[in-house]
This record gives sequence, structure tokens and C-alpha cells, in this order.
Amino acid sequence: AQRVTQPEKLLSVFKGAPVELKCNYSYSGSPELFWYVQYSRQRLQLLLRHISRESIKGFTADLNKGETSFHLKKPFAQEEDSAMYYCALSGRAGGTSYGKLTFGQGTILTVHP
Amino acid sequence: NAGVMQNPRHLVRRRGQEARLRCSPMKGHSHVYWYRQLPEEGLKFMVYLQKENIIDESGMPKERFSAEFPKEGPSILRIQQVVRGDSAAYFCASSPKTSGSGEQFFGPGTRLTVL
Repeated sequence: AQRVTQPEKLLSVFKGAPVELKCNYSYSGSPELFWYVQYSRQRLQLLLRHISRESIKGFTADLNKGETSFHLKKPFAQEEDSAMYYCALSGRAGGTSYGKLTFGQGTILTVHP
Repeated sequence: NAGVMQNPRHLVRRRGQEARLRCSPMKGHSHVYWYRQLPEEGLKFMVYLQKENIIDESGMPKERFSAEFPKEGPSILRIQQVVRGDSAAYFCASSPKTSGSGEQFFGPGTRLTVL
């Protein structure tokens, strides 16, 4: 079974402060991890994936297999980062994703001016 | 590319009626996924379809729910004899035929309210 846990439902920081959104997962095979974001009145969209090791909008996330975590970090939060963030997992085999995404419950990030 | 389209955006049904939710994937995408989001919860996988085939329906309730993705036309999620507990947001996502990255593109969702 696969499971994703986001322990914080709400997270508030001030502009310019560092931010970390926590994500832990449980999966017996080789997982592919994602962060999706939903800005106000917009649809859910991919922010970043662990396999590409990229930084998007200043956000990074490192897959820690030992701690089974994929925390999302940004050194200096901006007001436009306020949104709902979902961590998601897909099982992989042979370089191909299984397709099904398992989502965490989401964290609402609010960045105050 | 217009993105994933879902209609209707809002649907109100009385208990016992049928609900039909439609999803048109992005152009060139032949994989469709349906997710349900109950109030105060995250998105839960329901079913994964390719054209004319159900690949994984492990998240779909055994009764009253069905899904299809015909050769022509949108994917349909059908809920028969709706109950109040079916009230939720239903999201559709699509991905390209050769999806090795796992990225899915989401529609705006259909909010179903059962009275």
C-alpha cells in the first residue's frame, strides 16, 4: 500500500522567511514523488518532481529514502507563494510510472506581508 | 491547447438521481484519471482509463459508480442513485500516451452536491 502524509494542514510565515512543507511517504517499491500546487481559483498544477532535481519558483525538494521524506523548501517566501500544496506519490517500475497518484491531505501556505 | 475540460462545473442532484460527469483530456492525451476530494480531505484516486479500457479501478466503489473512456468523445464518470455521501469535488486528469514522467494535467473539477 502507498501512503502520503502531510502533517501540517496550515502553515503561516512572513514574507522573506524560509518555509518548509513536510511530506512523508510509505511505499515498498521505487516511488516517484511530486509536489502539486493549487493557487486561488486555479486548477491543480505540477510544481516539481523529484526525478528532475530542478528548482521551480525558488522551491526545491529532495527525496530522502532513509527518512522516506520529500519536504518542500524555499529560503525566502513570497506573498504569491500562498496556495494549497499537495505532495503526491506514484509507483514506478522499469522507468515507467504506474499512473495512479496518491496524494497527501494538503498544506495551506499563507505568506504574510 | 485548452487543457483538460470538465463539465459541468457544478452539479446538483437529489438523492436517488443519477450524476454524469464529463472529462475531455488534453489534445494528444490518451490516459485519463479520476479523483475524488471529499470535504477536508485530499484527492483520492478512483479509476485510470485508456481509450476503451479500464486499467485500474481499485479506488472506485464497487456499487453505483462506473467510468468509461470511449474511442470517440469524453470520459464519463457515472454515479447511479446518488447519496449525500457522494457530495464531493471530482477531478479528472490526463497524461500523454508515452508518459514516463508521471505528470498528470488536471481539470478544474466538478463539484457535486447531493440534496
